[in-house]
Amino acid sequence: GNSVTQMEGPVTLSEEAFLTINCTYTATGYPSLFWYVQYPGEGLQLLLKATKADDKGSNKGFEATYRKETTSFHLEKGSVQVSDSAVYFCALSNSGGSNYKLTFGKGTLLTVNP
Amino acid sequence: DGGITQSPKYLFRKEGQNVTLSCEQNLNHDAMYWYRQDPGQGLRLIYYSQIVNDFQKGDIAEGYSVSREKKESFPLTVTSAQKNPTAFYLCASSKAPLRGATDTQYFGPGTRLTVL
Repeated sequence: GNSVTQMEGPVTLSEEAFLTINCTYTATGYPSLFWYVQYPGEGLQLLLKATKADDKGSNKGFEATYRKETTSFHLEKGSVQVSDSAVYFCALSNSGGSNYKLTFGKGTLLTVNP
Repeated sequence: DGGITQSPKYLFRKEGQNVTLSCEQNLNHDAMYWYRQDPGQGLRLIYYSQIVNDFQKGDIAEGYSVSREKKESFPLTVTSAQKNPTAFYLCASSKAPLRGATDTQYFGPGTRLTVL
């Protein structure tokens, strides 16, 4: 079956530090990959996505590249801000059949200190 | 503005009672989903619906029921058969899934259910 493994948190960084949150996946076929962000007490917001190998998703300074050879989709940001403090979820969608479901990782809590 | 609304934001229930969580979307999406979020466990799919009057069980459907009488609405009922209902519940929607294609799911703000 499908599965997503992301690095366990919490991750604590100082403002302007470099961020990497690792995500690897197991899936058959050619899944689409997503990063969602959840701010405290809120629902999930799509941060970025990639739908095929070697695609790079980017948004708000965050980037992730779909690496099929390593089955990875690591999230990176060059300089984090306090406002980036949130929980980040890696997810995949594998619609080889007639349905469409997201499989999520367990989430990584990021705290950015001033 | 288009989006997904969930109500109420906080819900308290006594043991043995059924409770219904509301989810409405005005994005004209065909597909809708219910997820449960527990600390440290990510999100797990409860039910999903690809079209009006049709829905399928997800990974943890036991103790839950849904209906899809209108395209815009996908209410979730947490029944007394659900042994551990305290959690954060998230509704999502997407365009109609097509065989071999994918699309983004958009989430509502969530409902936090607490069983007293």
